[in-house]
Amino acid sequence: ETGVTQTPRHLVMGMTNKKSLKCEQHLGHNAMYWYKQSAKKPLELMFVYNFKEQTENNSVPSRFSPECPNSSHLFLHLHTLQPEDSALYLCASSQDSNTGTTSYEQYFGPGTRLTVT
Amino acid sequence: LAKTTQPISMDSYEGQEVNITCSHNNIATNDYITWYQQFPSQGPRFIIQGYKTKVTNEVASLFIPADRKSSTLSLPRVSLSDTAVYYCLVGDPVYGGATNKLIFGTGTLLAVQP
Repeated sequence: ETGVTQTPRHLVMGMTNKKSLKCEQHLGHNAMYWYKQSAKKPLELMFVYNFKEQTENNSVPSRFSPECPNSSHLFLHLHTLQPEDSALYLCASSQDSNTGTTSYEQYFGPGTRLTVT
Repeated sequence: LAKTTQPISMDSYEGQEVNITCSHNNIATNDYITWYQQFPSQGPRFIIQGYKTKVTNEVASLFIPADRKSSTLSLPRVSLSDTAVYYCLVGDPVYGGATNKLIFGTGTLLAVQP
């Protein structure tokens, strides 16, 4: 496969369940991201990993727990979610240049549509 | 907290040129301006990126004035398949560092009619 893949594409879970979202990038990039997109709202950056190290946690509730075991894989572990957490969760990757110029050319996966009941 | 501002929606007809403007007052010195396209229930797709003046690729052109506090995405001769939400993306210097906080604009819903 090429690009950025996400599984599952759709997920329905109860508030007491524990589930995980998976993202895999086949582009050789060194940075990966989790975004949340709720209905009629802009994309919200949740977490950023550069070289497997978490460099950004955008005040996300602890019921969302990211994991980046290597530069190609990113997980989002979910537990005791609330109905307002229902949204499209998008994973993205990019290549940081480390030359002082920040490039925001990111490649997104298709997303996981999460519904919390 | 810096943010970007775009029109909420725009209407156009097939074959017309469409210009979408984004305002970003606190853009960082080293940051690029990036535009994305998003169709319903899909992840955003990179369109174009620039630092200053004008950039053109096979899909669009990007115009950036000297002060870099705004940018304009230009889509030549749009078709029905260009109906989508368009976002501009810039870094936020408030946070600094190698990874500036990434802020997507509110997005502009472009509706192309036949």
